[in-house]
Amino acid sequence: AQSVAQPEDQVNVAEGNPLTVKCTYSVSGNPYLFWYVQYPNRGLQFLLKYITGDNLVKGSYGFEAEFNKSQTSFHLKKPSALVSDSALYFCAVRDPYSGGGADGLTFGKGTHLIIQP
Amino acid sequence: NAGVMQNPRHLVRRRGQEARLRCSPVKGHSHVYWYRQLPEEGLKFMVYLQKENIIDESGMPKERFSAEFPKEGPSILRIQQVVRGDSAAYFCASSEAAVGYTFGSGTRLTVV
Repeated sequence: AQSVAQPEDQVNVAEGNPLTVKCTYSVSGNPYLFWYVQYPNRGLQFLLKYITGDNLVKGSYGFEAEFNKSQTSFHLKKPSALVSDSALYFCAVRDPYSGGGADGLTFGKGTHLIIQP
Repeated sequence: NAGVMQNPRHLVRRRGQEARLRCSPVKGHSHVYWYRQLPEEGLKFMVYLQKENIIDESGMPKERFSAEFPKEGPSILRIQQVVRGDSAAYFCASSEAAVGYTFGSGTRLTVV
């Protein structure tokens, strides 16, 4: 069974500093990995995904994530945080070889990112 | 090209009533997924449908919950005889190839 762990409930970063939101995963095969952001009372907005290819993936709003197969991690990063980046961030995984119609995503519990002015 | 449309945005039901949540996928998408988000938790997969077929309902409660995606019209998530524990945000997502998922803004169900 696939699973995702986001070990930090909350991450605090000063505006202008680099940020990292951690994510580790467990799947039986090669994973599809996703990051989504959720603003209060809104739906999920897609940030980026890793399917195959370059381990460093660039996404929306200046975010990027690095796929590390040996550490089974897919940490979200941004070189310089903005106050407007404050939101709830979800990492998600899908095992493309899971079969049995289990094509849904498995989400982590989310990490609150708070950017302080 | 409109994204995933969910309605209503907010729904209040009394205990014992029925709740019907609608989801119109991105035009051309034939895969629909429903997720539930409880307060302070991540999204939990409920059901995966393609047109007229339920592909995976492993995350769906066995009783009171049902979902459909008819040949014409939106996908419907139906909750019969709602209880307070059903209060949550319900999100729909659609995709074409189960690789890129587009989420709707959700329906926030409150059971009073």
